[in-house]
Amino acid sequence: QVQLQESGPGLVKPSETLSLACTVSGDSVSRDTHYWTWIRQPAGEALEWIGRIYISGVSNYNPSLRNRVTILLDTSKNQFSLMLNSVTAADTAVYYCARGGLTMGWLDPWGQGVLVTVSS
Amino acid sequence: DIQVTQSPPSLSAAIGDSVAITCRSSQIIYTHLSWYQHKPGKAPELLIYGASNFLGGVPPRFSGSGSGTHFTLTITSLQPEDFATYFCQQSYSLPHTFGQGTKLEIK
Repeated sequence: QVQLQESGPGLVKPSETLSLACTVSGDSVSRDTHYWTWIRQPAGEALEWIGRIYISGVSNYNPSLRNRVTILLDTSKNQFSLMLNSVTAADTAVYYCARGGLTMGWLDPWGQGVLVTVSS
Repeated sequence: DIQVTQSPPSLSAAIGDSVAITCRSSQIIYTHLSWYQHKPGKAPELLIYGASNFLGGVPPRFSGSGSGTHFTLTITSLQPEDFATYFCQQSYSLPHTFGQGTKLEIK
C-alpha cells in the first residue's frame, strides 16, 4: 500500500522560507512511473496545484508561484520536498503531497496534509 | 489557466438518495478530469479518473460521465460513509486546477 506523509514546521515567519518534505512508502520516487506533486488549500478556498517533479529532474510549477517555489527529489530518503520562499500570510494553507499519474494526471494517493501558518 | 466551476457548493440528501455534482471547464479538456472524496482530517481519495474510470475499491454507486467541458459525478443509493466533500480536478493543461468543492451533508 502506497502512503505519503508530509512533515515540516507548522509555523513560518513572514519573508522566510517554507520547507516541507513528503516521505513515500510502498513506492519509489526513483521509478519513472509517476509525478510527485504538491497541492495546497487555504482555509475556505479551492485547492491550488503548486507543482510537480519527475525522476528525470523535470519540474513544472504554477506560474502564480513560479519565482518562489522549488520542488526537489531526494532518492536516498525516498522523499520529495517543497520550498516556498518569501512567504506571506497568503501562503497560510494546508499543504498536501500526492503521487500523480503520467498520462491522465490523476492524484493518488495523497498525504493527510499539514497546516502551515505564516505569522510573526 | 483553465477555470473549473463546480456546483452546487453544498448539497443535502438522505441515506438512499441519489445525487449529482457537476464540473464545467472554461476550455475543452476532453476527458482529463478526476473526482475526489475528502473527509475532514483525512487524505483526499481518488474516486474517478479520465472522467469515467475507476481505480479498484471504489463502490459501483459512484459513477462519472462527461467529456469536453461538462462533467458529472453521480452517487446513487447514498450510504452514511459518503457524506464528505467532493472536488474535481482538470489535468489537461498546466497548471492543473480544481473545482471549489461540494460539501455533501445528511438531510
